[in-house]
Amino acid sequence: RKEVEQDPGPFNVPEGATVAFNCTYSNSASQSFFWYRQDCRKEPKLLMSVYSSGNEDGRFTAQLNRASQYISLLIRDSKLSDSATYLCVVNRGQGGKLIFGQGTELSVKP
Amino acid sequence: DGGITQSPKYLFRKEGQNVTLSCEQNLNHDAMYWYRQDPGQGLRLIYYSQIVNDFQKGDIAEGYSVSREKKESFPLTVTSAQKNPTAFYLCASSVRGQDTGELFFGEGSRLTVL
Repeated sequence: RKEVEQDPGPFNVPEGATVAFNCTYSNSASQSFFWYRQDCRKEPKLLMSVYSSGNEDGRFTAQLNRASQYISLLIRDSKLSDSATYLCVVNRGQGGKLIFGQGTELSVKP
Repeated sequence: DGGITQSPKYLFRKEGQNVTLSCEQNLNHDAMYWYRQDPGQGLRLIYYSQIVNDFQKGDIAEGYSVSREKKESFPLTVTSAQKNPTAFYLCASSVRGQDTGELFFGEGSRLTVL
């Protein structure tokens, strides 16, 4: 079993749709969680950190459920520019390395 | 502008040849990393360095080597011992360790072995 697993995708949605990505992690000692965005053939960039209480940044909402070892990312009112691959990233523990999920591809169509 | 510069962007090599990928940063970051990305897979850590003259193996270090003689530079050598070297290689840096989760990536180097 992979340490970090994401929805396989791809997700094809119309503009304006709401889309949710899910991610599970297997190491219960994991302490911090992040979502990165990677455009086609480009480098990943940090989208947002995920806090225990949940957090929102504009149209993006991230949630963490430690009991179920589950992270989610919700995108509301999808834009064409949201088309990218979204990577779930987990830190194994204090001083530990970041573990990347395989990514979920999103394609927003007009 | 501060950032991370990787070169070359595209590289072709014949089997049996070593190749070195360059990574330079002017962000004054202590920690630097090399990742490999294959189609449909997440990034996998090859090597990382928290401080000059020190580095540690990541999850897939076999067939690779690195050096960290200067804070700004962390070159990666893909040796002929690497069985499947064709991949997208990403260099990254962070202010300190990976606790903050924020890595700054270069634009990557695409290596193709012919």
